[in-house]
Amino acid sequence: AQSVTQLGSHVSVSEGALVLLRCNYSSSVPPYLFWYVQYPNQGLQLLLKYTSAATLVKGINGFEAEFKKSETSFHLTKPSAHMSDAAVYFCAVSQAGANSKLTFGKGITLSVRP
Amino acid sequence: GAVVSQHPSRVICKSGTSVKIECRSLDFQATTMFWYRQFPKQSLMLMATSNEGSKATYEQGVEKDKFLINHASLTLSTLTVTSAHPEDSSFYICSARTSGGFTTGELFFGEGSRLTVL
Repeated sequence: AQSVTQLGSHVSVSEGALVLLRCNYSSSVPPYLFWYVQYPNQGLQLLLKYTSAATLVKGINGFEAEFKKSETSFHLTKPSAHMSDAAVYFCAVSQAGANSKLTFGKGITLSVRP
Repeated sequence: GAVVSQHPSRVICKSGTSVKIECRSLDFQATTMFWYRQFPKQSLMLMATSNEGSKATYEQGVEKDKFLINHASLTLSTLTVTSAHPEDSSFYICSARTSGGFTTGELFFGEGSRLTVL
């Protein structure tokens, strides 16, 4: 079984401030982890993914995430928020194996204040 | 990355009619596609797994006679909402995975389709 927990539903930061979106996972086997972003009325776009290579993963738009097995976490960060980062962010987990499926967290809405 | 296209992006229909939504993988072959439903300010709910050349696998609680899925080719899956009612109004999103995603689970998503049933 696998699951993802994204605590809180909304994060608000000032433009230029650090963005930190938290994700904790549960998996009975080594997981694959993903962060997706959804802009209004659009589908999901992959930001970055962890697939058992480097634990610090860099993605698009300046985002990065670090896989910490001891903490079962995969938090998403960006050093400096931009207005265009305002969106909903989903953390997702899957397990290696045939016919693997993604399990999504509830999503976090990021607001960026001018 | 792989591109998935979904059409139409918005559709409004009268209660009792049927609506078809198409999902295409544009630059890769997708033996498996997934259909999700998303309610306002909520996460994605997996409705069904669409397998090319075979019957779709529906998640518990999803009416297969209401939501007909056809995956007739390696690049096209369709979702038909039959006899639509206002409670079927929602944002429907399809996704597909490449051969590499078969073991990692990575998905590429369409743009989504906003269905409004009057």
